[in-house]
Amino acid sequence: KQEVTQIPAALSVPEGENLVLNCSFTDSAIYNLQWFRQDPGKGLTSLLLIQSSQREQTSGRLNASLDKSSGRSTLYIAASQPGDSATYLCAVEGIQGAQKLVFGQGTRLTINP
Amino acid sequence: NAGVTQTPKFQVLKTGQSMTLQCAQDMNHEYMSWYRQDPGMGLRLIHYSVGAGITDQGEVPNGYNVSRSTTEDFPLRLLSAAPSQTSVYFCASSYSKARATEAFFGQGTRLTVV
Repeated sequence: KQEVTQIPAALSVPEGENLVLNCSFTDSAIYNLQWFRQDPGKGLTSLLLIQSSQREQTSGRLNASLDKSSGRSTLYIAASQPGDSATYLCAVEGIQGAQKLVFGQGTRLTINP
Repeated sequence: NAGVTQTPKFQVLKTGQSMTLQCAQDMNHEYMSWYRQDPGMGLRLIHYSVGAGITDQGEVPNGYNVSRSTTEDFPLRLLSAAPSQTSVYFCASSYSKARATEAFFGQGTRLTVV
């Protein structure tokens, strides 16, 4: 059974810092990995999707990497801003697809002005 | 585009009552799914569908039914509500594996069973 772990569970940093969020998964037979953002009381917004054949994806100040063989992904946030405060979730989709996502429990990020 | 729309946003049920959580998407996505989010448990898959007329169980399907008669709609039915079904429910949709796109989520339904 696929299990996804995110470390740390919570992180608080001053504005302007670069930071890394970690995600690990137990079964390397994945189709893709997605990083989501969730604001309090809201739904999930997709940030980046990495296909199993890719090593990284970039969007603005965000960069996500994938090492499928070691079962790890990182989300790098450059020059953090207070508006980046949210919970970040990673999810893996198995090779059978069908949008059967397995989620980590998330990292709650707080950026202090 | 409206994206994925869930109704209602909030609901309080008494134990034993039944209800249907509605989910609609206007992006012509083949895949749709339901998740529940609980503190300390993360999001867990309840049921999913790969197209109209095709549904299957996820990780935690007990107490829930689904059907998909159209591409746009994927309602989740609680047959006899129990306090253990108190949770936040999210519906998601995406294109099929061939197009490899991200999942879109609704804003959630917060359900309390008393």
